[in-house]
Amino acid sequence: GDSVTQTEGQVALSEEDFLTIHCNYSASGYPALFWYVQYPGEGPQFLFRASRDKEKGSSRGFEATYNKEATSFHLQKASVQESDSAVYYCALSDQTGNYKYVFGAGTRLKVIA
Amino acid sequence: VTLLEQNPRWRLVPRGQAVNLRCILKNSQYPWMSWYQQDLQKQLQWLFTLRSPGDKEVKSLPGADYLATRVTDTELRLQVANMSQGRTLYCTCSGPGLGDAEQFFGPGTRLTVL
Repeated sequence: GDSVTQTEGQVALSEEDFLTIHCNYSASGYPALFWYVQYPGEGPQFLFRASRDKEKGSSRGFEATYNKEATSFHLQKASVQESDSAVYYCALSDQTGNYKYVFGAGTRLKVIA
Repeated sequence: VTLLEQNPRWRLVPRGQAVNLRCILKNSQYPWMSWYQQDLQKQLQWLFTLRSPGDKEVKSLPGADYLATRVTDTELRLQVANMSQGRTLYCTCSGPGLGDAEQFFGPGTRLTVL
């Protein structure tokens, strides 16, 4: 079945550091790729998506580029803030209308002021 | 703007007892409704997507059995039975499409096993 792997379980950074969270996927078809963010006590929130190879998604200073050859969709931000502390999820959807989303295990980001 | 209401927001569930959850859609622009579970390790897992009133599905997973029902265009229900570990259930809504639409998550219902 389809799967999403996030390499980092936890990341600790100082404010203004550069962020990378690695996401690799395995899918039989051509999936859409997503990043979601979850703050404590809340449901996950959509951050952005990319639906085709080489497409870049971005929002709130975060970005990721769909890389079909490397099966990757790594999340980056040039300068993190304390308010970015949250859990980040990479996800895929098979784009066939089944709406079966597959989420990665999540990466907990802690930014220290 | 709140798109989804979930109730209850939390519940203590005696072992062996079933619990019924409810989700109300506030914006018909996003008519496809789904349930997701999040376990104690924060892993998110899609359970169901129910598109039309009258749709019903069942699923058995490690730790719980589920029965989901799309009651009306705006109401989704979930019965959780035989739960052995706590979890949070999220209702979501999205626009119709081929599967690249964003999911809007509700605030969740947190279940704890007694």
